[in-house]
Amino acid sequence: DAGVIQSPRHEVTEMGQEVTLRCKPISGHDYLFWYRQTMMRGLELLIYFNNNVPIDDSGMPEDRFSAKMPNASFSTLKIQPSEPRDSAVYFCASSLMGAGAQAQHFGDGTRLSIL
Amino acid sequence: QKEVEQNSGPLSVPEGAIASLNCTYSDRGSQSFFWYRQYSGKSPELIMFIYSNGDKEDGRFTAQLNKASQYVSLLIRDSQPSDSATYLCAVNVGGGGNKLTFGTGTQLKVEL
Repeated sequence: DAGVIQSPRHEVTEMGQEVTLRCKPISGHDYLFWYRQTMMRGLELLIYFNNNVPIDDSGMPEDRFSAKMPNASFSTLKIQPSEPRDSAVYFCASSLMGAGAQAQHFGDGTRLSIL
Repeated sequence: QKEVEQNSGPLSVPEGAIASLNCTYSDRGSQSFFWYRQYSGKSPELIMFIYSNGDKEDGRFTAQLNKASQYVSLLIRDSQPSDSATYLCAVNVGGGGNKLTFGTGTQLKVEL
């Protein structure tokens, strides 16, 4: 079975540009999580969805960040406008049940560099 | 105080030895505890989880949980060079929710 699929794998863009990261969760998984990982702050949860509905976005750093899940098989994380401090690896993960009950399966991540 | 704390390491152990990785958490209401392994440049992958006090064994890995002392540990027996990675502790902080809070990870190096 296919795992969590993220695109693009790498993104390099200039400050001020809009960035869109994409994620396809594992089929049948009803939870989707977006994380950001940096050396300084480690792995941080940005937002998660249950059955396509955003449940907790308290980790979203500011209004420049937004996330959507229009259907069960697709989610986007958008940064507009982007800033150099947004440079990080962004992971998407999905799970069958809540995080406390089942393992989260991670995608390969998007390595984002904002110049 | 961070919600989930780990020693960043690196922790160096010789091949064949037991590696012991520790994690402390601040929320007494936490119910679920996970260990993930992350190789450099790769995504985290689940090793095992534990919910109850005591030990849980899976092959060469043993997770230990002590809720009274608020720590969880991971033992790796017969350590191999392929075990060299960063190990992330994750806690379902608050107990009832669906979020995982990750520690910053401990880097393990298994030396030949």
